[in-house]
Amino acid sequence: KAGVTQTPRYLIKTRGQQVTLSCSPISGHRSVSWYQQTPGQGLQFLFEYFSETQRNKGNFPGRFSGRQFSNSRSEMNVSTLELGDSALYLCASSFSSGGTSYNEQFFGPGTRLTVL
Amino acid sequence: SQKIEQNSEALNIQEGKTATLTCNYTNYSPAYLQWYRQDPGRGPVFLLLIRENEKEKRKERLKVTFDTTLKQSLFHITASQPADSATYLCALIRGNKLVFGAGTILRVKS
Repeated sequence: KAGVTQTPRYLIKTRGQQVTLSCSPISGHRSVSWYQQTPGQGLQFLFEYFSETQRNKGNFPGRFSGRQFSNSRSEMNVSTLELGDSALYLCASSFSSGGTSYNEQFFGPGTRLTVL
Repeated sequence: SQKIEQNSEALNIQEGKTATLTCNYTNYSPAYLQWYRQDPGRGPVFLLLIRENEKEKRKERLKVTFDTTLKQSLFHITASQPADSATYLCALIRGNKLVFGAGTILRVKS
């Protein structure tokens, strides 16, 4: 099976712009989670989608949003970018039967976002 | 508030020795705990999951213990190799969210 793919791999934006990141999960995985990773804060949970519905949300401002499509592909959007949004954004998929238990997460390679 | 603590300093060991990494948590009783490996510039890779009713779990050279009384998990790599050098993250469920520790850098020298 192909692994989790994320596009683009690298992105440079300026403050105030918005950005959309894409994630294609492993075939058959219906749960997609997004994380932000920075040297200072480590890996932080943004949100999780399951069957096109946001199932869980982390403690991030409303500028961070996401969605999931019927084929389980997911996108994450950050509006009005700030310098502090520079980070590695990771997407992870897992096989979830519908409950909220977390099976092993399969991570993609991430998108490195730099905000200037 | 709940905290997950991993060795903040890098762990340097000699090839062939056993590496032991620690994950401590407070103010919570997770049903299970996961360990991941992360190489520079890559996403984390799942290694092991251990449930609260399991004291120990093994996979090849890896061993994880889970002490719910001490609120601690230990991750062991036996017969360590330079290829084991990476950052190791522990993660546990908190309110249906997977919460990660900051990770411990392991360096295995030949």
